[in-house]
Amino acid sequence: QQPVQSPQAVILREGEDAVINCSSSKALYSVHWYRQKHGEAPVFLMILLKGGEQKGHEKISASFNEKKQQSSLYLTASQLSYSGTYFCGTEARPGTASKLTFGTGTRLQVTL
Amino acid sequence: DTEVTQTPKHLVMGMTNKKSLKCEQHMGHRAMYWYKQKAKKPPELMFVYSYEKLSINESVPSRFSPECPNSSLLNLHLHALQPEDSALYLCASSQAFTEAFFGQGTRLTVV
Repeated sequence: QQPVQSPQAVILREGEDAVINCSSSKALYSVHWYRQKHGEAPVFLMILLKGGEQKGHEKISASFNEKKQQSSLYLTASQLSYSGTYFCGTEARPGTASKLTFGTGTRLQVTL
Repeated sequence: DTEVTQTPKHLVMGMTNKKSLKCEQHMGHRAMYWYKQKAKKPPELMFVYSYEKLSINESVPSRFSPECPNSSLLNLHLHALQPEDSALYLCASSQAFTEAFFGQGTRLTVV
C-alpha cells in the first residue's frame, strides 16, 4: 500500500520553513526522499536506513522513526529552487535492488 | 558520469504499433528499473532487473516486455498498447542500499 504524505500541498514565502511527513502502514527498512520539478526526473535528496537516524545536508534534513513507520523531511530557510513535488519512497526489506513504493507526494511552492 | 539516458524523449504510437524505449547508464549499477508515472501521481514501479535478471514484475500487462541486454542497457518493448498506457516512463539505476538515479523519461502518447 502506498505511503501517505502530508500535507498534500504547501505554499511558502522564501526563507520560511516546512515539514513534510511520510507515513506507512508497513514496517520499513528504509526511506528515500526525492524532489521532482515539473517535466523533470526525480532527484535524490537522501536515504534513511532502519535505526531511527536523522540525516541532513545544508538546509534539508530528515528523520526516520521505524517504530511509527514514519519519516519527516525538514526544509529550513526555503529557497525558490526548493519548489517542486516531494516524494518519499519506502522499502520494506533490503535486497540487491530497491523495491521503492513512492508516497502520494507533496507539492511545494516557494514564492518571493 | 552520473547520468541515466533515455531515448526517445517523446513517442506517439498507434494501438497496433510496436515500439521500444531505451535506457542506458555507465555508472556500473547492477540494478535497473522501469517506472510509469501519470500526471500529478507518484512513479509506480513496473520492473526491476538485478544483475541483468528480471527480479520483480509488478503484475504488468504482457503488452509491456522488458529486456536487459547487458549491465548498461535496459529496454522496454511496447506492443498493442491502450490509450490509458499514455504516461511518462522513467528508467532508473542504483547500487544496493543507495539512491536511484532517474533518467529524464520518455513521454508516451498512445493514440
